[in-house]
Amino acid sequence: QQQVKQSPQSLIVQKGGISIINCAYENTAFDYFPWYQQFPGKGPALLIAIRPDVSEKKEGRFTISFNKSAKQFSLHIMDSQPGDSATYFCAASEIGTGFQKLVFGTGTRLLVSP
Amino acid sequence: DGGITQSPKYLFRKEGQNVTLSCEQNLNHDAMYWYRQDPGQGLRLIYYSQIVNDFQKGDIAEGYSVSREKKESFPLTVTSAQKNPTAFYLCASSPPMGRATYEQYFGPGTRLTVT
Repeated sequence: QQQVKQSPQSLIVQKGGISIINCAYENTAFDYFPWYQQFPGKGPALLIAIRPDVSEKKEGRFTISFNKSAKQFSLHIMDSQPGDSATYFCAASEIGTGFQKLVFGTGTRLLVSP
Repeated sequence: DGGITQSPKYLFRKEGQNVTLSCEQNLNHDAMYWYRQDPGQGLRLIYYSQIVNDFQKGDIAEGYSVSREKKESFPLTVTSAQKNPTAFYLCASSPPMGRATYEQYFGPGTRLTVT
């Protein structure tokens, strides 16, 4: 019930291409879905997040697509750049509990080749 | 600069020794968290604290202990009872619920190696 499944485990994309990372969740009570970006040896940083009242959110080259009925959400990175090479984690939590306990996916290591 | 500091960045210990990892934040956040990160796995919650002098076990609390005597500080002790302590440890904090952002802010992490 608490799992968030993330795929693929690793991804290689050419510069300028589209990177797509998928996540699926089981707990229908989840109502906050962030994506975190982590560079080697650093802590993760929030990239973009979505609430279930919208099906898509875009910030620059980064877009979250959300499918509530399928319990899936994905991150799309348009015009991928070598600087985007990092590990990406999806996560989910219940805002309504009054405390943010994030459940993380297992991560996707993205490599953007020049 | 506001943020979260973790020290040290690298820590080496012999098996059987307890070790304490430091986490300090000057963001005036009430909630603080400790996560463990292993290769190929996501972040797993060890302990969290919503307020000073109160903390709760996360999903993998066995072999760990914490204290929260000050709002700014949330140290984690890895005890000798933790079977596989070698990992990357991340501290995070978050602003009070009800604000527009639900972001968790992470520190730079401490890589602990136990031999």
